[in-house]
Amino acid sequence: QSVLTQPPSASGTPGQRVTLSCSGSTSNIGSNGVHWYQQLPGTAPKLLIYRDNQRPSGVPDRVSASKAGTSASLAISGLRSEDEADYYCAAWDDILRGWLFGGGTKLTV
Amino acid sequence: EVQVLESGGGLAQPGGSLRLSCIISGFAFSEHPIHWIRQSPGEGLEWVSTISGPDYLTFYADSVKGRFTISRDNSKNTLYLQMNSLRAEDTALYYCTTVENGGYADHFEYWGQGTLVTVSS
Repeated sequence: QSVLTQPPSASGTPGQRVTLSCSGSTSNIGSNGVHWYQQLPGTAPKLLIYRDNQRPSGVPDRVSASKAGTSASLAISGLRSEDEADYYCAAWDDILRGWLFGGGTKLTV
Repeated sequence: EVQVLESGGGLAQPGGSLRLSCIISGFAFSEHPIHWIRQSPGEGLEWVSTISGPDYLTFYADSVKGRFTISRDNSKNTLYLQMNSLRAEDTALYYCTTVENGGYADHFEYWGQGTLVTVSS
């Protein structure tokens, strides 16, 4: 199963803004919503952004996301140590008739 | 509050079988799609299978097609994953996840803590 493409790592200092990318194709990101998940060490993934740019209740507004064509990005501003985690993008693929995940980006603060 | 609880993981031999279960409480179980997603040790997330809500459509990753079967018992609020012909590469933490406001191609809103499957002789 093919995957969405994410850089394996990213880093920033406290207070900084960081942007994580996710690249796909017309049959997945280009046609369907992109969703982002945060996974803290040793815990289950948590929904961070859904339908390209929607924040679930409880997710702070310093977290935002956008999509353009077949690429998406997640931005976290005012970085905190507790943001250190793995971040995954996901999208439904119309050709594969299944879900695709990115390989994940490990964010170090 | 929606709660998701997986069970049934354990040690299986290559070629063997296991059945995972997932009980979801706190919402109208029969109306919502449910998914299995796995994570091998030290690796990323991998989608395994999906079953839709009212019409019971099923979808599988190529890596498990023909070996795994997803099903649901709406009377018991329970999702199952029958895993046959297990391979070492099926070793992973298996998560059950669902969404309250969306279809099978929508996001994964609620997650369990996972159940660990180890395939080894």
